[in-house]
Amino acid sequence: DIQVTQSPSSLSASVGDRITITCRASQGISTFLNWYQQKPGKAPELLIYGAFTLQSGVPPRFSGSGSGTEFTLTISSLQPEDLATYFCQQSYSDFPRTFGPGTKVEIK
Amino acid sequence: QVQLQQSGPGLVKPSETVSLTCTVSGASITNDHWSWIRQPPGQGLEWIGHIYYSGGNINLNPSLQSRVSISVDPSRNQFSLKLISVTAADTAVYYCARETVKIVAKTPKNSYHYYFMDVWGSGTTVIV
Repeated sequence: DIQVTQSPSSLSASVGDRITITCRASQGISTFLNWYQQKPGKAPELLIYGAFTLQSGVPPRFSGSGSGTEFTLTISSLQPEDLATYFCQQSYSDFPRTFGPGTKVEIK
Repeated sequence: QVQLQQSGPGLVKPSETVSLTCTVSGASITNDHWSWIRQPPGQGLEWIGHIYYSGGNINLNPSLQSRVSISVDPSRNQFSLKLISVTAADTAVYYCARETVKIVAKTPKNSYHYYFMDVWGSGTTVIV
C-alpha cells in the first residue's frame, strides 16, 4: 500500500493568515493527489484534484502544488469558514486508495 | 445535480451483518465508480472499496476484503455495502461517494486519468 502522511496534525491561525499543509507519499505518485475539506459533523468535500486543479466552486484562496512524493495545500488568506480538517488522498494506480491522517485547522 | 442518499441501520450487534444502501439521483449508476469510505469516531478516513458497474470491476481494501461485498442495483440506481461479522472496531460513520475521472492529455500519445471523489453522501453512523 502507498502510505500517506500529513503535517502538521493540527494548527491554529488567525483570520487573514496564510497557512500551508504538507502531504507526503511513501512512493512517487506523480500528481495523483487529491485534497478534501471536512467541516465538523459533515461529510468531506473535494477541494483539489490532480495535485493542483481546483474543484468547481472552491474559492481561489485555496491552492495545491507538488508532485512525486511531496505536496502542499495552501490557504492564502484564512477565513472563519475554513475551520475544518483537511485530508489528502492518493489515487495512483494501485489500490487501496489511501488518505492522510488529516490536519485540523483552528481559528485563533 | 448529483446527490447520494444513504440508508441503513444505525445499531448492529457483534457478529452480525451490516447492510447499507446509497441511492443515486442526478446520474446513472452505470457510469463512474461508486465508493464506500468509513471514519471511526475521532479518526481519519478509510477507503473500503468501489464498484464500476459497466466494467464489472470491484476493488476492495485488502484489510477488509474477506468481510466486505459491494453490489449495484441498476434498476433502482443504487449501490450497497455488506460487512459481515462486525465487531466494535467497525463502529464508524460510513460514507458513500462517487469517484469520477478526469482524463488529461499529457502528450499526443499519453494521457493521465485523475480519479477523485467529488460527490459524497451525508454519512450513516453505524454502532456495533
